[in-house]
Amino acid sequence: SAVISQKPSRDICQRGTSLTIQCQVDSQVTMMFWYRQQPGQSLTLIATANQGSEATYESGFVIDKFPISRPNLTFSTLTVSNMSPEDSSIYLCSVKGTAWINEQFFGPGTRLTVL
Amino acid sequence: AQSVTQLGSHVSVSEGALVLLRCNYSSSVPPYLFWYVQYPNQGLQLLLKYTSAATLVKGINGFEAEFKKSETSFHLTKPSAHMSDAAEYFCAVIISGGYQKVTFGTGTKLQVIP
Repeated sequence: SAVISQKPSRDICQRGTSLTIQCQVDSQVTMMFWYRQQPGQSLTLIATANQGSEATYESGFVIDKFPISRPNLTFSTLTVSNMSPEDSSIYLCSVKGTAWINEQFFGPGTRLTVL
Repeated sequence: AQSVTQLGSHVSVSEGALVLLRCNYSSSVPPYLFWYVQYPNQGLQLLLKYTSAATLVKGINGFEAEFKKSETSFHLTKPSAHMSDAAEYFCAVIISGGYQKVTFGTGTKLQVIP
């Protein structure tokens, strides 16, 4: 299984600012995923990030609000731009398994509170 | 389109009692099914997965789940609840294919009463 770390683990931010979340994997992976988990709710896929190409965003999420970088096969960043209190969520990155590609492994998450 | 429905957003059991968390899926093709657990202030951990090899799947921490095609169900069980099982549990489905998007259920919070 992949070991995934995220930075920061939590943050409290002011409205109108931006936060960049980092995701580091201990092995090279083709696809990385970013999810949002709003308080008391399930996970919603924001986008899929492939190395060397533009991220693919799900319905309801746009690049201007959630720009993603994927500079190499072990690292990705998600930026939450021009934040509002509605962006207060847990943001998780995940990767597919290597032994079985239908499996996904998750990072510990970044807990974001926007005031 | 694939989907999963988890019945009961909150489940309470006594320590030592049977744990049963319900999950029903909807899929036009044979699915892959998963149960994840999220402990307080932590990320998601894979409990077990159904990959069509066997209908009864055993996972970590004494949990198991049975795939029942006739009932489109994949309920999670554990014979005897432990205090450390208190967490939120998510059922998830993925359809094999080029995109392989995972769809999560709404989650069930398990409370274990001493």
